[in-house]
Amino acid sequence: DAGITQSPRYKITETGRQVTLMCHQTWSHSYMFWYRQDLGHGLRLIYYSAAADITDKGEVPDGYVVSRSKTENFPLTLESATRSQTSVYFCASSELGHSYNEQFFGPGTRLTVL
Amino acid sequence: AQKITQTQPGMFVQEKEAVTLDCTYDTSDPSYGLFWYKQPSSGEMIFLIYQGSYDQQNATEGRYSLNFQKARKSANLVISASQLGDSAMYFCAMREGYNFNKFYFGSGTKLNVKP
Repeated sequence: DAGITQSPRYKITETGRQVTLMCHQTWSHSYMFWYRQDLGHGLRLIYYSAAADITDKGEVPDGYVVSRSKTENFPLTLESATRSQTSVYFCASSELGHSYNEQFFGPGTRLTVL
Repeated sequence: AQKITQTQPGMFVQEKEAVTLDCTYDTSDPSYGLFWYKQPSSGEMIFLIYQGSYDQQNATEGRYSLNFQKARKSANLVISASQLGDSAMYFCAMREGYNFNKFYFGSGTKLNVKP
């Protein structure tokens, strides 16, 4: 039972490069989320998806693109990485009506943009 | 305005003692849910406890309890009988209504349990 996985776990890239962070969940949860975690800010929602082919912006979507062609995958792309996007990125999933509707988190991806 | 406020950046507690981590929230939606997550140094986010806005009783999960004071808009986490393994960051979070895009986290409290 893998749950929710993220890859890569660590990534170093340069300003201006395109980077894609992968997220895969095995629970068939309808909802998936991308957050970034920065010191002093806790976690902030970047994008979320209610189902395959349905995505919407969160609190801090600028500079990011998402897609969701399959229920189990929710990749996050930084089209032209900037230093301000250096952060730890968490993917999460949830299912409305399941338990407390809590979100289950992946292990995180630490991204450094030089 | 901040949706979730955690005013204690860091706290120390002696092993086996109880500790309270503060959380206040701000919403005008009558339906909301409050969550606490633990983040150990390894980085993963672990769900601890949930309180719904209409729940009459304070939530409890093992050594964790949530002191829910609706009128004061506070949802403090109480950890009883602290253990060394409780040393971690703790995040309070709120979901407004049943909208998954309205899920807000506080900035966290770093708890250190001393032997």
